Amino acid sequence: AQRVTQPEKLLSVFKGAPVELKCNYSYSGSPELFWYVQYSRQRLQLLLRHISRESIKGFTADLNKGETSFHLKKPFAQEEDSAMYYCALSNSGAGSYQLTFGKGTKLSVIP
Amino acid sequence: NAGVMQNPRHLVRRRGQEARLRCSPMKGHSHVYWYRQLPEEGLKFMVYLQKENIIDESGMPKERFSAEFPKEGPSILRIQQVVRGDSAAYFCASSPSTGGAKNIQYFGAGTRLSVL
Repeated sequence: AQRVTQPEKLLSVFKGAPVELKCNYSYSGSPELFWYVQYSRQRLQLLLRHISRESIKGFTADLNKGETSFHLKKPFAQEEDSAMYYCALSNSGAGSYQLTFGKGTKLSVIP
Repeated sequence: NAGVMQNPRHLVRRRGQEARLRCSPMKGHSHVYWYRQLPEEGLKFMVYLQKENIIDESGMPKERFSAEFPKEGPSILRIQQVVRGDSAAYFCASSPSTGGAKNIQYFGAGTRLSVL
C-alpha cells in the first residue's frame, strides 16, 4: 500500500534561515509527487509537482527514488512562508489519480 | 473562474440525521474527488467520480456513505444516520479531463461537519 510520511508535525525557523520539510513515501509503482500548501484561512493549493521541476516562491523539491524522498527546500525562509505543508503522492498507475497525503508539517517562520 | 465551490461551509447535525455536502467543480472540469480530514490527520481519499460515473470508491466506508455526480448540477456526498465519528472536514477537488493536467487537483474550501 502507498504511504506518505512527514516526520515533523511542526517546524520553526528564523526568517532568512534555510528550510527543509521532509517527505518520504512508499509506493511500488512509478510515483508522481506533489507539495500542497495551506495558508491561514485559505484553501489547499498546489505548490510544486515533481515532474514540472520548477521553483515556486523560492521552493524546490527533488524526487530521490533511491531514498524514496521528496523533501521541500528553500534557502531563505520568509514570514509569508508560514503555513501548513502537505506532501502527496498520486496513484496514477491505477487510472484513479487519487492523492495519498502525509499528515502535514506546520511551518512557522519567526521574524 | 470561481474555483471549486463547496457548500455549506459548516454543517451541524444531530446523531441519526442525514448530511448532504455539495461540490461544484471548476468550470471545464469533469473529474471530482472527495477527501476527509480528521483532526491532526492528513486528507484521506474517499471517492473519485466523473459525470454520472463512480470511478473509484475504494476509500468510502461501506455503509451510510454515498456519492454522486449527476449530468447536471453539483456532486453530492451523502452521509446517512450520522454518528459522532463522522465529524470531520470534507474536501472536494476537481481536475481537468484531458492530458497531463489530469493529475493536478484543485481544492475547495471544505465543509466542516459537526455531529452533536
